[in-house]
Amino acid sequence: EAGVVQSPRYKIIEKKQPVAFWCNPISGHNTLYWYLQNLGQGPELLIRYENEEAVDDSQLPKDRFSAERLKGVDSTLKIQPAELGDSAVYLCASSFWTGYGGDNEQFFGPGTRLTVL
Amino acid sequence: DQQVKQNSPSLSVQEGRISILNCDYTNSMFDYFLWYKKYPAEGPTFLISISSIKDKNEDGRFTVFLNKSAKHLSLHIVPSQPGDSAVYFCAASARRKTSYDKVIFGPGTSLSVIP
Repeated sequence: EAGVVQSPRYKIIEKKQPVAFWCNPISGHNTLYWYLQNLGQGPELLIRYENEEAVDDSQLPKDRFSAERLKGVDSTLKIQPAELGDSAVYLCASSFWTGYGGDNEQFFGPGTRLTVL
Repeated sequence: DQQVKQNSPSLSVQEGRISILNCDYTNSMFDYFLWYKKYPAEGPTFLISISSIKDKNEDGRFTVFLNKSAKHLSLHIVPSQPGDSAVYFCAASARRKTSYDKVIFGPGTSLSVIP
């Protein structure tokens, strides 16, 4: 079974440039997450989708960040314009949501390491 | 306000000995706890979990202990192997008491198992 696929793996851009990350979740997983991981810290949730609906985007900086999951499968996370402080690893994860209280193991992709110069 | 804390950024253990990784949490609504393992240039992978109705869960060489009164959990690896060298994230969620089980991660502990 293929895991969560993310591209690109690495991206270097200059500040004020736009950047986009792509994620393809595990087949059949209805829930998709984007996380931000800064150096020396754990992943922090940016946005969570259940199918194509964003059910939690409270931590997404909406002035510069946007995300979409149009057909409830793959997803794109965009930053425009990028700032120096956006340098981090962006992780995508997916799970099969079985309802409240059920096991909801998240499977992570390898991440995209973004460097903003 | 860090709800999940891992106060040891790093830990070194001799091969064959026990590794003990500690985690503390502050939110009393958390009722499900997970450990993830992360190798460099890879995403975190699920290792083991424990529900708040239990105080111990074991899976092979890995055992997680939960002390609800102290809001503390620990991961024991026995015996430790060089392949266990990785960053370990403690994570917690409130599965029953919120609209969905958002997972909160700690900052991680880097384990080095010395051959």
